[in-house]
Amino acid sequence: DAGVTQSPTHLIKTRGQQVTLRCSPKSGHDTVSWYQQALGQGPQFIFQYYEEEERQRGNFPDRFSGHQFPNYSSELNVNALLLGDSALYLCASSLTNFAYMNTEAFFGQGTRLTVV
Amino acid sequence: DQQVKQNSPSLSVQEGRISILNCDYTNSMFDYFLWYKKYPAEGPTFLISISSIKDKNEDGRFTVFLNKSAKHLSLHIVPSQPGDSAVYFCAASDLYSGGGADGLTFGKGTHLIIQP
Repeated sequence: DAGVTQSPTHLIKTRGQQVTLRCSPKSGHDTVSWYQQALGQGPQFIFQYYEEEERQRGNFPDRFSGHQFPNYSSELNVNALLLGDSALYLCASSLTNFAYMNTEAFFGQGTRLTVV
Repeated sequence: DQQVKQNSPSLSVQEGRISILNCDYTNSMFDYFLWYKKYPAEGPTFLISISSIKDKNEDGRFTVFLNKSAKHLSLHIVPSQPGDSAVYFCAASDLYSGGGADGLTFGKGTHLIIQP
């Protein structure tokens, strides 16, 4: 049973460019959340997608956008990259149950983004 | 402003003894708390959770205690084993009061080192 998979594992981009990160949720999960983890910090919540819509959003600018596809996979897009966007980007999947509540989230290995 | 605080960046414990990791939070809306464990080059792995209607939850060697009045939770690991050496993150959400989405707020983590 495949867990949460993210691609690519590492990425180097130039300031001002745009980047797309991808995530496939754990089998059976329908909800995807994205987190940014800077060095020495805990993960910071970016947003969550359920039923192909953004369900909840953290304190991140509009340069950060996402998408969820019918097969529940998801993309995170970041426009106009800044040096400060360099971080580990983590995807987490969970299941939204009949009561509209999330189960515990399972995390992928992350994508290490370096902006130069 | 950090809403979830883990004030000990690192903790060293002898194998076989009890490890106690602490976490404080400031947001009264948080009603669901989790602990995650992270090894280098891997995503966080879910360990144990507790909702605000409980004050204790056990799972094998892991026990989480919640003191709502003090806005404090702790993770006890008994007995500590070498494989427990990792970074431990405390996380919180307003899962029940916030409509079911579980965008997590993480602490900065505590690096637990189990000494033989």
